[in-house]
Amino acid sequence: SSELTQDPSVSVALGQTVRITCQGDSLRTSFASWFQQRPGQAPRLVIYGKNNRPSGIPDRIYGSRSGDTASLTIIGARAEDEGDYYCNSRDSSGNHLKVIFGGGTKLTVL
Amino acid sequence: EVQLVESGGDLVQPGGSLRLSCAASGFTFSNYWMTWVRQAPGKGLEWVANIKQDGSDKYYVDSVRGRFTISRDNAKNSLYLQMNSLRAEDTAVYYCARDPGGYDLWGQGTLVSVSS
Repeated sequence: SSELTQDPSVSVALGQTVRITCQGDSLRTSFASWFQQRPGQAPRLVIYGKNNRPSGIPDRIYGSRSGDTASLTIIGARAEDEGDYYCNSRDSSGNHLKVIFGGGTKLTVL
Repeated sequence: EVQLVESGGDLVQPGGSLRLSCAASGFTFSNYWMTWVRQAPGKGLEWVANIKQDGSDKYYVDSVRGRFTISRDNAKNSLYLQMNSLRAEDTAVYYCARDPGGYDLWGQGTLVSVSS
């Protein structure tokens, strides 16, 4: 199906490691991109492609994929990592190419 | 400065029309696919449409196909979204984004409210 499924919320203790997952059939053939959105702000790209980071994104944040599941891992979580995280990917399974987003995961750093 | 600036959002009645604009600066606009993404109040992100560098290919989410039209003017470094037959469910903040393989540059968004 043309959906990406994310857990609605995840929490992590300050300094610990957290993984946010995104599951969907399209991920078997397309890499996920990951976006962080803080309240009142536009989304910001954090991971794209196999495991590429835009400039300014630290290497303690990385992406991976296994089968139909993409993961975003944050090592040594900081308060600045809080926010909503969205995955997306291309889906060419139908007659029209389209892009789908996951429902988002709210990350809380305790 | 590398940036995208959206404009054109407004309050409009159901069935009405609106044209959004996205002004690009600081980079070679004509080199990039461009995308519109929207976010309803308190909800997640939804891809709306995207357009190839020269405007020859365009794709839409099913819910807007036939009502919305994405276009661009590379001479003016501008992206557009013509929205017709607007519905209450189109109410959202609309973002434009640059797409070199990931949406690496976003505007601040423009709010479209559809209500009588």
